[in-house]
Amino acid sequence: QSALTQPASVSGSPGQSITISCTGSSSDIGGYKFVSWYQQHPGKAPKFIIYDVSDRPSGVSNRFSGSKSGNTASLTISGLQAEDEADYYCSSYAGSNRYVFGAGTKVTVL
Amino acid sequence: QAQLVESGGGVVQPGRPLRLSCAASGFTFTSYAMHWVRQAPGKGLEWVAVISYDENSKDCARSVKGRFNISRDNSKNTLYLQMNSLRPEDTAVYYCARAPNKAWHYFDFWGQGTLVTVSS
Repeated sequence: QSALTQPASVSGSPGQSITISCTGSSSDIGGYKFVSWYQQHPGKAPKFIIYDVSDRPSGVSNRFSGSKSGNTASLTISGLQAEDEADYYCSSYAGSNRYVFGAGTKVTVL
Repeated sequence: QAQLVESGGGVVQPGRPLRLSCAASGFTFTSYAMHWVRQAPGKGLEWVAVISYDENSKDCARSVKGRFNISRDNSKNTLYLQMNSLRPEDTAVYYCARAPNKAWHYFDFWGQGTLVTVSS
Protein backbone atom coordinates (compact mmCIF):
# COMPACT_ATOMS: atom_id res chain seq x y z
CA GLN A 1 0.00 0.00 0.00
CA SER A 2 1.57 3.32 -1.07
CA ALA A 3 1.64 6.27 1.27
CA LEU A 4 -0.86 9.04 0.69
CA THR A 5 0.57 12.13 -1.02
CA GLN A 6 0.96 15.30 1.02
CA PRO A 7 2.94 18.47 0.28
CA ALA A 8 6.27 18.43 2.09
CA SER A 9 5.72 21.86 3.59
CA VAL A 10 3.15 24.62 3.95
CA SER A 11 3.68 27.99 5.59
CA GLY A 12 1.60 30.93 6.66
CA SER A 13 1.64 34.04 8.82
CA PRO A 14 -0.09 34.25 12.18
CA GLY A 15 -3.83 34.71 11.76
CA GLN A 16 -3.90 33.37 8.21
CA SER A 17 -5.53 30.15 7.05
CA ILE A 18 -3.66 27.32 5.42
CA THR A 19 -4.81 24.08 3.79
CA ILE A 20 -2.95 20.79 3.60
CA SER A 21 -3.97 18.34 0.90
CA CYS A 22 -3.80 14.56 1.10
CA THR A 23 -4.24 12.61 -2.12
CA GLY A 24 -4.90 8.91 -2.35
CA SER A 25 -6.98 6.71 -4.60
CA SER A 26 -10.38 5.12 -4.89
CA SER A 27 -9.00 2.24 -2.80
CA ASP A 28 -8.49 4.40 0.24
CA ILE A 29 -9.60 8.05 0.57
CA GLY A 30 -12.08 7.88 -2.28
CA GLY A 31 -13.61 4.63 -1.12
CA TYR A 32 -14.35 5.42 2.51
CA LYS A 33 -15.36 8.23 4.81
CA PHE A 34 -12.54 7.16 7.14
CA VAL A 35 -9.92 9.91 6.88
CA SER A 36 -8.20 11.13 10.02
CA TRP A 37 -5.51 13.73 10.75
CA TYR A 38 -2.73 13.89 13.34
CA GLN A 39 -0.49 16.68 14.62
CA GLN A 40 3.05 15.84 15.73
CA HIS A 41 5.43 18.25 17.43
CA PRO A 42 9.16 17.39 17.28
CA GLY A 43 10.06 14.50 19.55
CA LYS A 44 6.46 14.00 20.61
CA ALA A 45 3.78 11.40 19.94
CA PRO A 46 1.13 12.18 17.31
CA LYS A 47 -2.06 13.84 18.50
CA PHE A 48 -5.46 13.00 17.01
CA ILE A 49 -7.20 16.12 15.62
CA ILE A 50 -9.76 15.05 12.97
CA TYR A 51 -11.66 11.81 12.31
CA ASP A 52 -14.19 10.59 9.77
CA VAL A 53 -13.09 13.31 7.33
CA SER A 54 -14.44 16.32 9.22
CA ASP A 55 -15.28 15.48 12.83
CA ARG A 56 -13.28 17.00 15.67
CA PRO A 57 -12.55 15.12 18.90
CA SER A 58 -13.51 16.78 22.12
CA GLY A 59 -10.93 19.34 23.18
CA VAL A 60 -9.51 20.04 19.72
CA SER A 61 -9.68 23.66 18.61
CA ASN A 62 -12.37 24.54 16.08
CA ARG A 63 -9.62 26.25 14.08
CA PHE A 64 -8.94 22.78 12.66
CA SER A 65 -11.37 21.51 10.02
CA GLY A 66 -11.38 18.70 7.50
CA SER A 67 -13.02 17.94 4.18
CA LYS A 68 -12.84 15.52 1.28
CA SER A 69 -13.51 15.60 -2.44
CA GLY A 70 -13.04 12.47 -4.47
CA ASN A 71 -9.65 10.95 -3.72
CA THR A 72 -8.30 14.04 -1.95
CA ALA A 73 -8.79 15.04 1.68
CA SER A 74 -7.85 18.40 3.14
CA LEU A 75 -7.05 19.85 6.54
CA THR A 76 -7.54 23.58 7.04
CA ILE A 77 -6.04 25.48 9.95
CA SER A 78 -7.62 28.89 10.38
CA GLY A 79 -6.30 31.73 12.53
CA LEU A 80 -2.80 30.23 12.38
CA GLN A 81 -0.93 30.38 15.70
CA ALA A 82 2.71 29.78 16.62
CA GLU A 83 1.74 26.60 18.48
CA ASP A 84 0.38 25.14 15.23
CA GLU A 85 3.92 24.77 13.91
CA ALA A 86 4.29 20.98 13.66
CA ASP A 87 4.13 18.04 11.28
CA TYR A 88 0.68 16.93 10.12
CA TYR A 89 -0.24 13.47 8.87
CA CYS A 90 -3.37 12.23 7.16
CA SER A 91 -4.53 8.63 7.40
CA SER A 92 -7.16 6.56 5.65
CA TYR A 93 -8.65 3.12 5.87
CA ALA A 94 -7.53 1.20 2.78
CA GLY A 95 -9.78 -1.83 2.88
CA SER A 96 -9.12 -5.41 4.03
CA ASN A 97 -8.13 -4.21 7.48
CA ARG A 98 -5.29 -2.06 6.14
CA TYR A 99 -4.50 1.52 7.08
CA VAL A 100 -2.29 4.03 5.25
CA PHE A 101 -0.68 7.32 6.27
CA GLY A 102 0.50 10.30 4.31
CA ALA A 103 4.21 11.18 4.23
CA GLY A 104 3.58 14.23 6.38
CA THR A 105 3.50 17.99 5.92
CA LYS A 106 5.65 20.42 7.89
CA VAL A 107 3.71 23.55 8.81
CA THR A 108 5.80 26.65 9.42
CA VAL A 109 4.37 29.79 11.02
CA LEU A 110 6.26 32.73 9.55
CA GLN B 1 -6.17 9.81 32.54
CA ALA B 2 -5.25 7.45 29.73
CA GLN B 3 -1.69 6.27 29.44
CA LEU B 4 0.12 4.03 26.99
CA VAL B 5 3.73 3.22 27.82
CA GLU B 6 5.87 1.33 25.33
CA SER B 7 8.98 -0.61 26.31
CA GLY B 8 11.36 -3.22 24.95
CA GLY B 9 13.15 -1.18 22.31
CA GLY B 10 16.89 -1.16 21.86
CA VAL B 11 19.71 -2.10 19.52
CA VAL B 12 19.43 -5.52 17.90
CA GLN B 13 21.41 -7.28 15.20
CA PRO B 14 19.82 -8.09 11.82
CA GLY B 15 18.01 -11.41 11.86
CA ARG B 16 17.48 -11.35 15.64
CA PRO B 17 14.10 -11.12 17.43
CA LEU B 18 12.75 -8.47 19.77
CA ARG B 19 9.47 -8.12 21.67
CA LEU B 20 7.86 -4.78 22.38
CA SER B 21 5.29 -4.17 25.09
CA CYS B 22 2.71 -1.44 25.57
CA ALA B 23 1.20 -1.07 29.04
CA ALA B 24 -2.22 0.59 29.14
CA SER B 25 -3.82 2.35 32.09
CA GLY B 26 -6.49 4.93 32.86
CA PHE B 27 -9.10 3.48 30.49
CA THR B 28 -10.98 0.24 29.81
CA PHE B 29 -8.49 -1.70 27.72
CA THR B 30 -11.10 -4.07 26.29
CA SER B 31 -13.10 -1.17 24.86
CA TYR B 32 -10.40 -0.65 22.27
CA ALA B 33 -8.69 -2.34 19.39
CA MET B 34 -4.96 -1.65 19.44
CA HIS B 35 -2.48 -0.74 16.72
CA TRP B 36 1.27 -0.53 16.30
CA VAL B 37 2.52 2.33 14.11
CA ARG B 38 6.18 3.03 13.39
CA GLN B 39 8.22 6.03 12.30
CA ALA B 40 11.67 5.63 10.79
CA PRO B 41 14.15 8.39 11.70
CA GLY B 42 13.17 11.60 9.93
CA LYS B 43 10.36 9.84 8.08
CA GLY B 44 6.58 9.63 8.17
CA LEU B 45 4.24 7.28 9.97
CA GLU B 46 3.70 3.71 8.81
CA TRP B 47 0.93 1.45 10.06
CA VAL B 48 2.27 -1.91 11.26
CA ALA B 49 -0.46 -4.05 12.82
CA VAL B 50 -3.88 -4.11 14.50
CA ILE B 51 -5.61 -6.47 16.94
CA SER B 52 -9.23 -6.57 18.07
CA TYR B 53 -10.19 -6.16 21.73
CA ASP B 54 -10.63 -9.95 22.09
CA GLU B 55 -7.69 -11.05 19.90
CA ASN B 56 -10.12 -12.74 17.49
CA SER B 57 -9.03 -10.53 14.63
CA LYS B 58 -5.58 -9.28 13.79
CA ASP B 59 -3.78 -8.05 10.70
CA CYS B 60 -0.49 -6.53 9.69
CA ALA B 61 1.19 -4.59 6.90
CA ARG B 62 2.65 -6.48 3.98
CA SER B 63 6.12 -5.17 4.90
CA VAL B 64 6.11 -7.16 8.15
CA LYS B 65 3.79 -10.06 7.34
CA GLY B 66 5.28 -13.39 8.35
CA ARG B 67 7.88 -11.71 10.59
CA PHE B 68 5.88 -9.68 13.14
CA ASN B 69 3.03 -10.86 15.36
CA ILE B 70 0.69 -8.66 17.40
CA SER B 71 -0.93 -9.98 20.56
CA ARG B 72 -2.48 -8.70 23.78
CA ASP B 73 -3.06 -9.88 27.36
CA ASN B 74 -6.24 -8.26 28.62
CA SER B 75 -5.63 -9.55 32.15
CA LYS B 76 -2.46 -7.42 32.21
CA ASN B 77 -3.76 -4.52 30.07
CA THR B 78 -0.77 -5.02 27.83
CA LEU B 79 -0.21 -5.09 24.08
CA TYR B 80 2.75 -6.85 22.47
CA LEU B 81 4.62 -6.88 19.18
CA GLN B 82 6.85 -9.89 18.56
CA MET B 83 9.33 -8.96 15.86
CA ASN B 84 11.38 -11.72 14.23
CA SER B 85 13.96 -11.71 11.45
CA LEU B 86 14.58 -8.02 11.96
CA ARG B 87 16.01 -5.97 9.09
CA PRO B 88 17.81 -2.61 9.09
CA GLU B 89 14.72 -1.08 7.45
CA ASP B 90 12.72 -1.96 10.57
CA THR B 91 14.68 0.70 12.45
CA ALA B 92 12.07 3.13 13.80
CA VAL B 93 10.25 4.50 16.78
CA TYR B 94 7.37 2.13 17.45
CA TYR B 95 4.17 3.62 18.83
CA CYS B 96 1.18 1.79 20.22
CA ALA B 97 -2.15 3.52 19.62
CA ARG B 98 -5.72 2.70 20.56
CA ALA B 99 -8.81 2.73 18.38
CA PRO B 100 -12.44 2.49 19.54
CA ASN B 101 -13.91 -0.99 19.04
CA LYS B 102 -16.41 0.36 16.50
CA ALA B 103 -13.90 2.55 14.70
CA TRP B 104 -10.60 0.83 14.10
CA HIS B 105 -9.78 3.37 11.39
CA TYR B 106 -8.63 6.14 13.67
CA PHE B 107 -6.02 6.27 16.40
CA ASP B 108 -7.40 8.39 19.21
CA PHE B 109 -4.54 8.11 21.69
CA TRP B 110 -0.86 7.28 21.30
CA GLY B 111 2.00 6.25 23.53
CA GLN B 112 5.34 8.08 23.53
CA GLY B 113 7.07 5.36 21.51
CA THR B 114 10.10 3.09 21.89
CA LEU B 115 13.10 3.17 19.55
CA VAL B 116 14.21 0.02 17.79
CA THR B 117 17.57 0.12 16.01
CA VAL B 118 18.53 -2.82 13.81
CA SER B 119 22.24 -2.73 13.19
CA SER B 120 25.26 -5.01 13.27
